[in-house]
Amino acid sequence: DAGITQSPRHKVTETGTPVTLRCHQTENHRYMYWYRQDPGHGLRLIHYSYGVKDTDKGEVSDGYSVSRSKTEDFLLTLESATSSQTSVYFCAISESKRLVGEQFFGPGTRLTVL
Amino acid sequence: AQTVTQSQPEMSVQEAETVTLSCTYDTSESNYYLFWYKQPPSRQMILVIRQEAYKQQNATENRFSVNFQKAAKSFSLKISDSQLGDTAMYFCAFGRGTGNQFYFGTGTSLTVIP
Repeated sequence: DAGITQSPRHKVTETGTPVTLRCHQTENHRYMYWYRQDPGHGLRLIHYSYGVKDTDKGEVSDGYSVSRSKTEDFLLTLESATSSQTSVYFCAISESKRLVGEQFFGPGTRLTVL
Repeated sequence: AQTVTQSQPEMSVQEAETVTLSCTYDTSESNYYLFWYKQPPSRQMILVIRQEAYKQQNATENRFSVNFQKAAKSFSLKISDSQLGDTAMYFCAFGRGTGNQFYFGTGTSLTVIP
């Protein structure tokens, strides 16, 4: 299994509070991604990173920010959590640039915003 | 923009039988990759099979095979000799030839009946 961990694995928070989710990899892969999974929507890309301090938006980036100060860590921040951000969040990594390679996924974080 | 459509939200199959999951996609790109991921109740995302668009031969991995029809933009997954452990959500995914972004379908929930 690819070395990807996510923390926390479960979190319950209140509307309006900031939340940070962490993804940590031990594979030294260049690309890292944050997805959210919701019933009826599959997985949707929030943000991704193609290197340290290099990030870009995905299709559902509103309300989220990311940072990558080290190759191994990719942080997802909800500045002010809303109930619509209740979801399961997955981090993924991949290596290839020109050749699309497999994405390896972390175990997921279940976030509940009350 | 790329879109991936899985029109079967739920399916069931008898153990040892064969089942086919459908996936269609829309893209204007010529260089891309297609994937099927499995998500069992553990929530872990597991790659089942991968197909490069430039290859005419359909990919096969043990009991899993695909029917890739490039002109029709169709990418179905066939599971032969279904086993109880195949019970899971299955996601079809499209990967662009550059940039490493993935686009997922909404998933098909497969239940294998003993």
